[in-house]
Amino acid sequence: EVQLVESGGGLARPGGSLRLSCSASGFTFRNYAMHWVRQAPGKGLEYVSGTNSEGGGTYFADSVKGRFTISRDNSKNTLYLQMSSLRAEDMAMYYCVRDTYSYGYFDYWGQGTLVTVSS
Amino acid sequence: DIQMTQSPSSLSASVGDRVTITCRASQDISNYLAWYQQKPGKVPDLLIFAASTLQLGVPSRFSGSGSGTDFTLTISSLQPEDVATYYCQKYNSVLLSFGGGTKVEIK
Repeated sequence: EVQLVESGGGLARPGGSLRLSCSASGFTFRNYAMHWVRQAPGKGLEYVSGTNSEGGGTYFADSVKGRFTISRDNSKNTLYLQMSSLRAEDMAMYYCVRDTYSYGYFDYWGQGTLVTVSS
Repeated sequence: DIQMTQSPSSLSASVGDRVTITCRASQDISNYLAWYQQKPGKVPDLLIFAASTLQLGVPSRFSGSGSGTDFTLTISSLQPEDVATYYCQKYNSVLLSFGGGTKVEIK
């Protein structure tokens, strides 16, 4: 069974940093591109960032470019999102998602980890 | 960047009604479009990819159509369990993005 378990969310101050992790199991992690998608409270889905299966290609929404970095450790089956210079508008539930055969759409979603940005 | 616009933003229909949701891309994305269903308090589920291909396990009352810039998601006979917000998503390039969502309620 495919499982994606996010962790690392919590309260951060504006301008602060957080690192999210996503532990994957039930599939061959190193074969799949992976992404982060977020959803602010009561709002729609927003694509945040993604990486190809090897980790050499990374992609970012304009809203987080230069502030967030994405990485993966295929030996640990784990995806990361390093968030810095956090803003109030980054407050959201962050979902780790698996890219179906690396085509660009998402067949499995984690339960999410909540990031709160407040002073 | 290509913008994805969904309409309507919300709708209310009766059980058994045919429901149609539209997603429009600001540029041609061929058939690189997916649809997701997010039930209240739940994580999104993939419904359709490649504009019209049903994900395994999705009821046949759901269908997708379109190519280029205009796409539709149709529920042929709305059921109570279909109450959800539906999102389209383009994936024609590495610049992935979602539409704003359509909330479907029962009248």
